[in-house]
Amino acid sequence: ETGVTQTPRHLVMGMTNKKSLKCEQHLGHNAMYWYKQSAKKPLELMFVYNFKEQTENNSVPSRFSPECPNSSHLFLHLHTLQPEDSALYLCASSQELAGGRRKETQYFGPGTRLLVL
Amino acid sequence: AQKITQTQPGMFVQEKEAVTLDCTYDTSDPSYGLFWYKQPSSGEMIFLIYQGSYDQQNATEGRYSLNFQKARKSANLVISASQLGDSAMYFCAMRENTGGFKTIFGAGTRLFVKA
Repeated sequence: ETGVTQTPRHLVMGMTNKKSLKCEQHLGHNAMYWYKQSAKKPLELMFVYNFKEQTENNSVPSRFSPECPNSSHLFLHLHTLQPEDSALYLCASSQELAGGRRKETQYFGPGTRLLVL
Repeated sequence: AQKITQTQPGMFVQEKEAVTLDCTYDTSDPSYGLFWYKQPSSGEMIFLIYQGSYDQQNATEGRYSLNFQKARKSANLVISASQLGDSAMYFCAMRENTGGFKTIFGAGTRLFVKA
């Protein structure tokens, strides 16, 4: 089983649809992330969950709603998206050390290519 | 504020030769980590190499090495003996140890390996 999996790999949706992206990590990590990668823009952090608690919300519009039921699964619920939300959505996980000490490497999934029509 | 700069949008290298991908960064935090990732056309971000700000020696991982010059705030990636499969986007990233969980990424460099 590969380290971080994402489904679906490709998604086309209309602006009135509701869909969800799923991420699962098999690495025993305690932190999970959602990133957005748009064409010609650097990777943007959207959300971070550490021990299932959301620790960062990087000014993401409310039409994106994350959910982290346990430390192995992360969802991104999508509703009433806009065409500019079309992008590659990447999930990542890492094993964070306690006490704010040195942070660890993030491992990424293959991403979901989203097209909003 | 933390910042990552990759000034080379695209690079060409002949197969079997070495290539250096540039990365400069800016931070006021004395403790930070620097990362390089490879992103093939399939989309997955593949971790290549890590350098901690207090590490005394430059990091190496197989054909990848990181030329870390702390005073100049540069963390260039050197790929030795380039292979056709090295053709991809390469991203430099940084994470401040006092900055929570936020990792910032550069704009990337697209590497083309010629046969």
